[in-house]
Amino acid sequence: GENVEQHPSTLSVQEGDSAVIKCTYSDSASNYFPWYKQELGKRPQLIIDIRSNVGEKKDQRIAVTLNKTAKHFSLHITETQPEDSAVYFCAASMGSGAGSYQLTFGKGTKLSVIP
Amino acid sequence: NAGVTQTPKFRVLKTGQSMTLLCAQDMNHEYMYWYRQDPGMGLRLIHYSVGEGTTAKGEVPDGYNVSRLKKQNFLLGLESAAPSQTSVYFCASRVPGANVLTFGAGSRLTVL
Repeated sequence: GENVEQHPSTLSVQEGDSAVIKCTYSDSASNYFPWYKQELGKRPQLIIDIRSNVGEKKDQRIAVTLNKTAKHFSLHITETQPEDSAVYFCAASMGSGAGSYQLTFGKGTKLSVIP
Repeated sequence: NAGVTQTPKFRVLKTGQSMTLLCAQDMNHEYMYWYRQDPGMGLRLIHYSVGEGTTAKGEVPDGYNVSRLKKQNFLLGLESAAPSQTSVYFCASRVPGANVLTFGAGSRLTVL
């Protein structure tokens, strides 16, 4: 099955700086890569996603890049704010077959933005 | 439109007791999932269902059973709870072809 590795496990940045979280996946058949944000005590919520036919996607201060050849993708947050403090999860899913039913998550990155 | 609702939100069990977690969604989603979340382990898939009357094993299915008798409900059962099943459990759902998962608020289970 798919295996998703996520680094770092914890990340502290000063407010206004950028944060980068990296993930690698094992199955070359995976073609959908979402990022979820989980604030303390709350449910995970999708913040951005990318499909394998696209190399980069941006939404205001967040962006995701994908390198299919290297099988890795990254989340970039610019001009970080205290409300960006949360745990971020990357995930991967295949586009067809039984694997398309499942989303495999990384172990998460706890981001702390220091005011 | 409540989305995905989990009950109960909190529960304390003794080793060997049984219980059922209920997940209900009112969005007419075909696919439903149960995940467990443990510190440093991310979200791990326990079981999932791609339609009424169907279930399948995920990454960590041992010690759990599930049922999907109605499209809107997905039940997670623990027949004989163990301390290793202390965790936060999340239910999620989605429609086929749309990859976005909608999560419930979570159920915190403690097994003593």
